[in-house]
Amino acid sequence: NAGVTQTPKFQVLKTGQSMTLQCAQDMNHEYMSWYRQDPGMGLRLIHYSVGAGITDQGEVPNGYNVSRSTTEDFPLRLLSAAPSQTSVYFCASSSVRSYNEQFFGPGTRLTVL
Amino acid sequence: RKEVEQDPGPFNVPEGATVAFNCTYSNSASQSFFWYRQDCRKEPKLLMSVYSSGNEDGRFTAQLNRASQYISLLIRDSKLSDSATYLCVVILSGSARQLTFGSGTQLTVLP
Repeated sequence: NAGVTQTPKFQVLKTGQSMTLQCAQDMNHEYMSWYRQDPGMGLRLIHYSVGAGITDQGEVPNGYNVSRSTTEDFPLRLLSAAPSQTSVYFCASSSVRSYNEQFFGPGTRLTVL
Repeated sequence: RKEVEQDPGPFNVPEGATVAFNCTYSNSASQSFFWYRQDCRKEPKLLMSVYSSGNEDGRFTAQLNRASQYISLLIRDSKLSDSATYLCVVILSGSARQLTFGSGTQLTVLP
């Protein structure tokens, strides 16, 4: 099992550009989520999904869109990048039977100039 | 006020020392508690869940005090490999399993 994979690992964008961060898991987990991690702030939930076709907003959803067309994939779209979106982004997944253990991907380090 | 607060450290301790971290949470409706570990520039990984009765996993002991709304993690006989950031995590009741993270406590174990 590859677990949770994320691409790209690093990305530099200019203000106003859009892009999609990819996340995939091969553990057949129902629950998937996106976090951003900033210095001194801890991880903050952006969006989450409890199953294919179902998504909901987390603590900091503005400027981001998600979709969940399959169980495996949960892409995060930045609509119009801003310097405030410079961060490390983590995707995570878990089974609804053991939601306490979330498995994280390796992260995407995004810089917006 | 942050929902989950931790002393950011850093804690620098010699090998073999015992070190303790505390974490406080503001919402009394919090129902589940965990410690995650994050190595430098890596993803967080679950270290252990925290139960009301307290629980131990080898050199690690976690305790929960619901009345005072704090969680603790005790590491005995510290190893160099324990150097990491320790994240306190809670799940609020009715929050659809959303994890709320503290900002982490950095530990460096020195030889």
